[in-house]
Amino acid sequence: ETGVTQSPTHLIKTRGQQVTLRCSSQSGHNTVSWYQQALGQGPQFIFQYYREEENGRGNFPPRFSGLQFPNYSSELNVNALELDDSALYLCASSLLAGEDEQYFGPGTRLTVT
Amino acid sequence: AQSVSQHNHHVILSEAASLELGCNYSYGGTVNLFWYVQYPGQHLQLLLKYFSGDPLVKGIKGFEAEFIKSKFSFNLRKPSVQWSDTAEYFCAVNAWRDDKIIFGKGTRLHILP
Repeated sequence: ETGVTQSPTHLIKTRGQQVTLRCSSQSGHNTVSWYQQALGQGPQFIFQYYREEENGRGNFPPRFSGLQFPNYSSELNVNALELDDSALYLCASSLLAGEDEQYFGPGTRLTVT
Repeated sequence: AQSVSQHNHHVILSEAASLELGCNYSYGGTVNLFWYVQYPGQHLQLLLKYFSGDPLVKGIKGFEAEFIKSKFSFNLRKPSVQWSDTAEYFCAVNAWRDDKIIFGKGTRLHILP
C-alpha cells in the first residue's frame, strides 16, 4: 500500500464522452503526476501538478486536463474520448517535483467503446 | 528527447537462477534512474533508485542495479531469483530537476518454481 488511492477502479465510456478520474495523494505530498499505461506498454507521462499549478506536460493533447486541490486530491479530465484513450490511468504523488520517489496508486482502467 | 529501452520483453527463469535485466536510456545530461516493479494485482512500487554517488545501488528484496554512465545503462540484477519475483519490471529515467519520468516498456519476468 502506498497511501495513494484512485477512483473509480473501472470505467466504461462511449467515444465522444467526457470522463473525470480522481486521485487522493499521500498526505503532505505537494506533487501529483498522471500517467497513461496502454496494454503492453510502460506508463506514459501525461502531466504533473505542483501546489495546484501544472508543472510539466507530456505529449498529450489539450483535451487531457487536470486539477489539483489543497486537500491532496486531484483530477484528470479527458474530453471527447477516443477509442485509443482506453488504458490504465495511474496517478503518483511525491514530496518534491522532479526529485523524489513517486508513490503510485492502483490505477483506473478506462475502456472507451 | 529522452527515451528508455528495455532489452527483454519477457524473461523466464527457474528459481535460484541469476537475473540481469537490461536498460539503456538516451539523454546527455544528468539523470535520475529508477527501477519499478509491479507484482500481479499490486501497485507499481519502487525497487531502487539512483540519484548520485555510488553507481551500484541496492534495493529491496536483494535487487541491485549498476549505473554505467559511459554506456547509458542501468541494468537490474539479482544473484538468485525466487518464485515471488514473478512480476513486471520497469526501468525509468528523469532528467535532473525535470518533471516527467520516462518509462521503458517493461519486462515480464516469470519464475518457474
